[in-house]
Amino acid sequence: KAGVTQTPRYLIKTRGQQVTLSCSPISGHRSVSWYQQTPGQGLQFLFEYFSETQRNKGNFPGRFSGRQFSNSRSEMNVSTLELGDSALYLCASSLRFEGYGYTFGSGTRLTVV
Amino acid sequence: SQQGEEDPQALSIQEGENATMNCSYKTSINNLQWYRQNSGRGLVHLILIRSNEREKHSGRLRVTLDTSKKSSSLLITASRAADTASYFCAFSVIQGAQKLVFGQGTRLTINP
Repeated sequence: KAGVTQTPRYLIKTRGQQVTLSCSPISGHRSVSWYQQTPGQGLQFLFEYFSETQRNKGNFPGRFSGRQFSNSRSEMNVSTLELGDSALYLCASSLRFEGYGYTFGSGTRLTVV
Repeated sequence: SQQGEEDPQALSIQEGENATMNCSYKTSINNLQWYRQNSGRGLVHLILIRSNEREKHSGRLRVTLDTSKKSSSLLITASRAADTASYFCAFSVIQGAQKLVFGQGTRLTINP
C-alpha cells in the first residue's frame, strides 16, 4: 500500500511570506500528526488531526495552523515566515489506537531566506 | 519537560558488533517506540513496546522497557553498514493526548 505522501519535498520562501504543506496519509488512517525537526530543538510536535478535528496542539505560535479534510488529507500553514521556521516538517499517520506505531512521510524541507 | 533523553548522542562501532542505545523519560507513558532516520529523511518505525511489556524482539532488534526506572534500551545485534542512521525513542504519553514525544536521538555509525 502507498505510504504517507508529503508535498512539496523542498521549498524556499522569503521572510514574511506564508506557506502551505500537504500530507496524504495511508489509506484507512484517520489520524494525521505534524512534527517540526530542527538541529537545535529536535523533533517537536505541532498538532494532530483526527476526523477533521484538531485533537492536540504543541507549543507553537498561532502562525502555525492546520486542517484536515474529509478524505483525511491534511495541510499545515505557516504565515508570516521567520528565519527560525526553516526546518524539516514531517507528517505522520496512524490508526490512532493505542499500540500502533506511526508511519512518517519523507518530509518537506522548508528554507526561509 | 516531557522530552526524552537518549545516550549516547553518537556511537561508532565496527560492522558485526552490537549497538546499544538508551532512552529515559520522566512521565507516565502508554507505550514507547523506536524509530530510525536516514540522513534527514522521514522516520521509519522499528518497534513498539507497551508499558506492561518488559522486552520485545524484532529480527536483530531487542527492546527493553523498565517503567520503574523510566528507561528503555534498543539493542541492534550483528550490525551492518546499512544500520548507519539516527535512532530516536519516542513515547506516547498518558493524558488522553495522542502525540509522540521524541528524544534527541543517537547517531549510529557502522564502520566496514
